[in-house]
Amino acid sequence: EAGVAQSPRYKIIEKRQSVAFWCNPISGHATLYWYQQILGQGPKLLIQFQNNGVVDDSQLPKDRFSAERLKGVDSTLKIQPAKLEDSAVYLCASSLGGRVTDTQYFGPGTRLTVL
Amino acid sequence: DAKTTQPNSMESNEEEPVHLPCNHSTISGTDYIHWYRQLPSQGPEYVIHGLTSNVNNRMASLAIAEDRKSSTLILHRATLRDAAVYYCILMGGGYQKVTFGIGTKLQVIP
Repeated sequence: EAGVAQSPRYKIIEKRQSVAFWCNPISGHATLYWYQQILGQGPKLLIQFQNNGVVDDSQLPKDRFSAERLKGVDSTLKIQPAKLEDSAVYLCASSLGGRVTDTQYFGPGTRLTVL
Repeated sequence: DAKTTQPNSMESNEEEPVHLPCNHSTISGTDYIHWYRQLPSQGPEYVIHGLTSNVNNRMASLAIAEDRKSSTLILHRATLRDAAVYYCILMGGGYQKVTFGIGTKLQVIP
């Protein structure tokens, strides 16, 4: 079974530029998550989708971050404009139904460096 | 959200058992206790979860205190591949509401 796919794996941009990350979850998984992991910290949930609807985006900096999940499958996370403090690994995860007993499967992440 | 407290780091000798503690004194009756681990340069991976009873799987065992205010992840025989950051997370409220802490960095000594 294919895992969660993310691209690109690495991205270097200058501050005030825009960047987009892509995630393809495990087939059949209704729930998709985007996390931000700053070096030395645990992952922080940015947004959670159930199919193509948003369940939780309380920690998403909406002035610069946006995310969409068209057709309830793939998802993109965008940052516009980027700041130095956005340097982090962006992790995508998916689970079957988002229930408390469901396992989350994580992708390898995209490492973003903002100069 | 209910919070968890874990030691920042622990060491273990290879092939010896490891007990990773987690305190969650404000756990609610419907919160599940999940453990994930993150190997270097990888995304987190699921280890085990439980509600009230102790749980075993091929990776580890989870011992849950009777009052559910603490739990212990047990790796029966640590290998070098078990060196990772281990996160204890509470999930409840129907849909998953996930808050990762800093976790415990486990170092396995050959």
